[in-house]
Amino acid sequence: RKEVEQDPGPFNVPEGATVAFNCTYSNSASQSFFWYRQDCRKEPKLLMSVYSSGNEDGRFTAQLNRASQYISLLIRDSKLSDSATYLCVVNSQAGTALIFGKGTTLSVSS
Amino acid sequence: DAGITQSPRHKVTETGTPVTLRCHQTENHRYMYWYRQDPGHGLRLIHYSYGVKDTDKGEVSDGYSVSRSKTEDFLLTLESATSSQTSVYFCAISGGTRGADTQYFGPGTRLTVL
Repeated sequence: RKEVEQDPGPFNVPEGATVAFNCTYSNSASQSFFWYRQDCRKEPKLLMSVYSSGNEDGRFTAQLNRASQYISLLIRDSKLSDSATYLCVVNSQAGTALIFGKGTTLSVSS
Repeated sequence: DAGITQSPRHKVTETGTPVTLRCHQTENHRYMYWYRQDPGHGLRLIHYSYGVKDTDKGEVSDGYSVSRSKTEDFLLTLESATSSQTSVYFCAISGGTRGADTQYFGPGTRLTVL
């Protein structure tokens, strides 16, 4: 099992849609979880950290299920500007680095 | 935005030549990282540093070396570049105490090895 797995997509949705991404991770001892966003030919940028109780930031909601070892990201009321690749990120087994998923591509159209 | 710069931003070189990429930060963060990003592979860790002169290997360290003589600078060297090292290289920094904390990325260096 790969350390961090994501559905690569692409997810093609109209403006205003709700879209959800899932991610699974293999290290049951992981403690740090993030979602990053990467625009085409740009560097990854932190979208949000993911906390055990779940957390929300505007239109974005992140959930963590430790028992099943998966993380989700929900985007409500999608905007054209949400079009990007979303990276699921978990800390490494040694705890000294982060492991990045390959990303899920989202395309929002008008 | 975190104060991270990378130089050069683009480079074209020939097989067998040495190449050094520089990452510079103004945040005084302890951890610094070098990744490469390739289609189909995502971001892969090459080397990282947890302090001045303290470095360790990542997932894809073969063919690469690093040095960190000052907190603010982390250098990545390809001793003898090969075409398989054509990639986009990102530097990242983290201010956490454990390393597995939020990382902030530089703008990247596009390297082409002919």
